[in-house]
Amino acid sequence: GESVGLHLPTLSVQEGDNSIINCAYSNSASDYFIWYKQESGKGPQFIIDIRSNMDKRQGQRVTVLLNKTVKHLSLQIAATQPGDSAVYFCAEKTQGAQKLVFGQGTRLTINP
Amino acid sequence: NAGVTQTPKFQVLKTGQSMTLQCAQDMNHNSMYWYRQDPGMGLRLIYYSASEGTTDKGEVPNGYNVSRLNKREFSLRLESAAPSQTSVYFCASKPGQSSYNEQFFGPGTRLTVL
Repeated sequence: GESVGLHLPTLSVQEGDNSIINCAYSNSASDYFIWYKQESGKGPQFIIDIRSNMDKRQGQRVTVLLNKTVKHLSLQIAATQPGDSAVYFCAEKTQGAQKLVFGQGTRLTINP
Repeated sequence: NAGVTQTPKFQVLKTGQSMTLQCAQDMNHNSMYWYRQDPGMGLRLIYYSASEGTTDKGEVPNGYNVSRLNKREFSLRLESAAPSQTSVYFCASKPGQSSYNEQFFGPGTRLTVL
Protein backbone atom coordinates (compact mmCIF):
# COMPACT_ATOMS: atom_id res chain seq x y z
CA GLY A 1 0.00 0.00 0.00
CA GLU A 2 1.11 3.55 -0.65
CA SER A 3 0.79 6.41 1.79
CA VAL A 4 -1.56 9.25 1.01
CA GLY A 5 0.21 11.90 3.04
CA LEU A 6 -0.31 13.26 6.50
CA HIS A 7 -3.90 12.20 7.02
CA LEU A 8 -4.29 8.64 8.16
CA PRO A 9 -7.68 7.03 7.69
CA THR A 10 -9.39 7.12 11.06
CA LEU A 11 -11.93 4.82 12.63
CA SER A 12 -13.81 5.90 15.75
CA VAL A 13 -15.74 3.33 17.77
CA GLN A 14 -17.54 3.23 21.07
CA GLU A 15 -15.88 1.36 23.89
CA GLY A 16 -17.28 -2.16 23.98
CA ASP A 17 -18.24 -2.23 20.29
CA ASN A 18 -16.46 -4.33 17.70
CA SER A 19 -13.95 -2.66 15.38
CA ILE A 20 -13.25 -3.62 11.80
CA ILE A 21 -10.10 -2.28 10.16
CA ASN A 22 -9.67 -2.84 6.44
CA CYS A 23 -6.70 -3.13 4.16
CA ALA A 24 -6.38 -3.61 0.40
CA TYR A 25 -3.32 -5.28 -1.04
CA SER A 26 -1.99 -5.53 -4.58
CA ASN A 27 0.57 -8.34 -4.68
CA SER A 28 -0.98 -11.67 -5.67
CA ALA A 29 2.33 -13.37 -4.85
CA SER A 30 2.13 -12.51 -1.15
CA ASP A 31 2.05 -15.65 0.99
CA TYR A 32 1.51 -14.05 4.38
CA PHE A 33 -0.46 -11.05 5.56
CA ILE A 34 0.30 -9.54 8.92
CA TRP A 35 -1.25 -6.97 11.26
CA TYR A 36 0.76 -4.69 13.52
CA LYS A 37 -0.36 -2.24 16.21
CA GLN A 38 1.54 0.96 16.95
CA GLU A 39 0.75 2.92 20.08
CA SER A 40 1.71 6.56 20.26
CA GLY A 41 5.45 7.05 20.66
CA LYS A 42 6.27 3.36 20.40
CA GLY A 43 7.46 0.90 17.82
CA PRO A 44 4.98 -1.38 16.03
CA GLN A 45 3.93 -4.61 17.74
CA PHE A 46 2.88 -7.83 16.00
CA ILE A 47 -0.77 -8.81 16.43
CA ILE A 48 -1.54 -11.71 14.14
CA ASP A 49 -0.72 -13.14 10.72
CA ILE A 50 -2.56 -15.25 8.18
CA ARG A 51 -1.22 -17.45 5.43
CA SER A 52 -2.56 -16.91 1.94
CA ASN A 53 -4.12 -20.40 1.81
CA MET A 54 -6.41 -19.50 4.72
CA ASP A 55 -9.40 -17.17 4.78
CA LYS A 56 -9.82 -16.72 8.53
CA ARG A 57 -7.67 -16.85 11.61
CA GLN A 58 -8.58 -16.03 15.18
CA GLY A 59 -6.50 -14.84 18.06
CA GLN A 60 -7.28 -13.40 21.44
CA ARG A 61 -10.11 -10.91 20.78
CA VAL A 62 -8.96 -10.49 17.19
CA THR A 63 -9.96 -12.14 13.93
CA VAL A 64 -8.31 -11.63 10.57
CA LEU A 65 -10.25 -12.29 7.37
CA LEU A 66 -8.63 -12.66 3.98
CA ASN A 67 -10.53 -12.34 0.70
CA LYS A 68 -8.11 -13.16 -2.10
CA THR A 69 -10.74 -12.64 -4.81
CA VAL A 70 -10.88 -8.91 -4.11
CA LYS A 71 -7.44 -8.68 -2.47
CA HIS A 72 -8.86 -7.49 0.82
CA LEU A 73 -7.77 -8.07 4.39
CA SER A 74 -9.58 -7.08 7.56
CA LEU A 75 -8.83 -7.10 11.27
CA GLN A 76 -11.76 -7.42 13.64
CA ILE A 77 -11.30 -6.47 17.27
CA ALA A 78 -14.01 -7.68 19.62
CA ALA A 79 -15.26 -5.59 22.54
CA THR A 80 -12.92 -2.69 21.85
CA GLN A 81 -11.12 -1.29 24.90
CA PRO A 82 -9.31 2.02 25.50
CA GLY A 83 -6.00 0.16 25.24
CA ASP A 84 -6.84 -0.68 21.63
CA SER A 85 -6.35 2.97 20.64
CA ALA A 86 -3.46 2.91 18.20
CA VAL A 87 -2.52 2.96 14.53
CA TYR A 88 -2.99 -0.42 12.87
CA PHE A 89 -0.87 -1.44 9.89
CA CYS A 90 -1.31 -4.32 7.52
CA ALA A 91 1.78 -5.79 5.90
CA GLU A 92 2.43 -8.42 3.27
CA LYS A 93 5.27 -10.80 2.56
CA THR A 94 6.22 -12.64 -0.60
CA GLN A 95 7.04 -16.35 -0.33
CA GLY A 96 10.63 -16.88 0.74
CA ALA A 97 11.26 -13.20 1.33
CA GLN A 98 12.68 -11.90 4.59
CA LYS A 99 11.11 -8.46 4.31
CA LEU A 100 7.63 -7.01 4.77
CA VAL A 101 5.84 -4.29 2.82
CA PHE A 102 3.70 -2.16 5.10
CA GLY A 103 0.46 -0.44 4.20
CA GLN A 104 -0.48 3.10 5.19
CA GLY A 105 -2.17 2.43 8.50
CA THR A 106 -5.52 3.23 10.13
CA ARG A 107 -5.88 5.20 13.35
CA LEU A 108 -8.37 3.63 15.76
CA THR A 109 -9.83 5.92 18.42
CA ILE A 110 -12.10 4.73 21.20
CA ASN A 111 -14.96 6.87 22.45
CA PRO A 112 -15.90 6.32 26.12
CA ASN B 1 16.00 -9.48 27.91
CA ALA B 2 16.12 -5.89 26.72
CA GLY B 3 14.79 -6.87 23.27
CA VAL B 4 15.74 -4.34 20.59
CA THR B 5 17.54 -1.23 21.77
CA GLN B 6 18.27 1.89 19.75
CA THR B 7 20.54 4.85 20.43
CA PRO B 8 20.17 7.75 20.47
CA LYS B 9 16.47 8.36 21.21
CA PHE B 10 16.56 11.88 19.79
CA GLN B 11 18.99 13.69 17.51
CA VAL B 12 19.13 17.05 15.78
CA LEU B 13 21.55 17.48 12.90
CA LYS B 14 22.44 20.29 10.55
CA THR B 15 22.32 19.67 6.82
CA GLY B 16 25.51 17.95 5.71
CA GLN B 17 26.41 16.47 9.08
CA SER B 18 26.89 12.73 9.45
CA MET B 19 25.78 10.35 12.14
CA THR B 20 25.31 6.68 12.91
CA LEU B 21 22.19 5.22 14.47
CA GLN B 22 22.89 2.18 16.59
CA CYS B 23 20.70 -0.89 17.02
CA ALA B 24 21.27 -4.02 19.07
CA GLN B 25 19.15 -7.06 19.89
CA ASP B 26 19.68 -9.73 22.52
CA MET B 27 17.25 -12.35 21.16
CA ASN B 28 19.77 -14.18 18.96
CA HIS B 29 17.80 -13.20 15.86
CA ASN B 30 19.31 -13.69 12.42
CA SER B 31 17.44 -10.95 10.55
CA MET B 32 17.55 -7.22 11.27
CA TYR B 33 15.86 -4.25 9.61
CA TRP B 34 15.95 -0.46 9.41
CA TYR B 35 12.74 1.46 8.66
CA ARG B 36 11.82 5.10 8.51
CA GLN B 37 8.40 6.47 9.41
CA ASP B 38 7.37 9.93 8.32
CA PRO B 39 4.50 11.71 10.11
CA GLY B 40 1.14 10.10 9.44
CA MET B 41 2.66 7.48 7.19
CA GLY B 42 3.57 3.84 7.22
CA LEU B 43 6.96 2.25 7.61
CA ARG B 44 9.31 2.16 4.68
CA LEU B 45 12.20 -0.28 4.60
CA ILE B 46 15.62 1.31 4.17
CA TYR B 47 17.96 -1.68 4.43
CA TYR B 48 17.84 -5.13 5.93
CA SER B 49 20.19 -7.92 6.85
CA ALA B 50 18.71 -11.38 6.44
CA SER B 51 21.65 -12.93 8.26
CA GLU B 52 25.01 -11.95 9.69
CA GLY B 53 27.32 -10.95 6.87
CA THR B 54 24.62 -9.93 4.39
CA THR B 55 22.82 -6.66 3.74
CA ASP B 56 20.25 -5.72 1.11
CA LYS B 57 18.53 -2.56 -0.03
CA GLY B 58 14.92 -1.92 0.80
CA GLU B 59 12.47 0.58 -0.70
CA VAL B 60 14.33 3.81 0.20
CA PRO B 61 18.11 3.15 0.53
CA ASN B 62 19.42 6.35 -1.05
CA GLY B 63 21.41 8.52 1.37
CA TYR B 64 21.99 5.67 3.83
CA ASN B 65 24.54 2.95 4.50
CA VAL B 66 24.38 0.06 6.91
CA SER B 67 26.76 -2.25 8.71
CA ARG B 68 25.91 -5.61 10.24
CA LEU B 69 28.67 -5.49 12.81
CA ASN B 70 27.89 -8.91 14.30
CA LYS B 71 24.79 -10.96 14.95
CA ARG B 72 23.59 -8.54 17.63
CA GLU B 73 24.26 -5.17 16.05
CA PHE B 74 23.05 -3.40 12.91
CA SER B 75 23.92 0.26 12.40
CA LEU B 76 22.53 2.86 10.00
CA ARG B 77 24.72 5.71 8.80
CA LEU B 78 23.76 9.02 7.25
CA GLU B 79 26.87 10.35 5.53
CA SER B 80 25.50 13.79 4.67
CA ALA B 81 22.16 14.47 6.32
CA ALA B 82 19.41 16.26 4.40
CA PRO B 83 16.13 17.77 5.66
CA SER B 84 14.27 15.05 3.73
CA GLN B 85 15.79 12.54 6.15
CA THR B 86 13.89 14.05 9.08
CA SER B 87 11.92 11.08 10.33
CA VAL B 88 11.54 8.47 13.04
CA TYR B 89 13.84 5.54 12.47
CA PHE B 90 12.95 2.08 13.72
CA CYS B 91 15.15 -0.95 13.96
CA ALA B 92 13.60 -4.41 14.07
CA SER B 93 14.74 -8.02 14.28
CA LYS B 94 13.29 -11.50 13.86
CA PRO B 95 14.39 -15.12 13.70
CA GLY B 96 15.70 -16.18 10.32
CA GLN B 97 12.93 -18.48 9.12
CA SER B 98 11.07 -16.79 6.24
CA SER B 99 7.75 -18.18 7.47
CA TYR B 100 8.18 -16.41 10.81
CA ASN B 101 6.56 -13.00 10.47
CA GLU B 102 6.84 -11.37 13.87
CA GLN B 103 9.37 -8.60 13.77
CA PHE B 104 10.37 -7.10 17.11
CA PHE B 105 10.77 -3.34 16.98
CA GLY B 106 12.89 -0.97 18.98
CA PRO B 107 11.53 2.27 20.47
CA GLY B 108 12.76 4.44 17.59
CA THR B 109 15.15 7.33 17.04
CA ARG B 110 13.58 10.70 16.32
CA LEU B 111 15.87 12.56 13.91
CA THR B 112 15.49 16.17 12.83
CA VAL B 113 17.70 17.61 10.12
CA LEU B 114 17.74 21.40 9.97
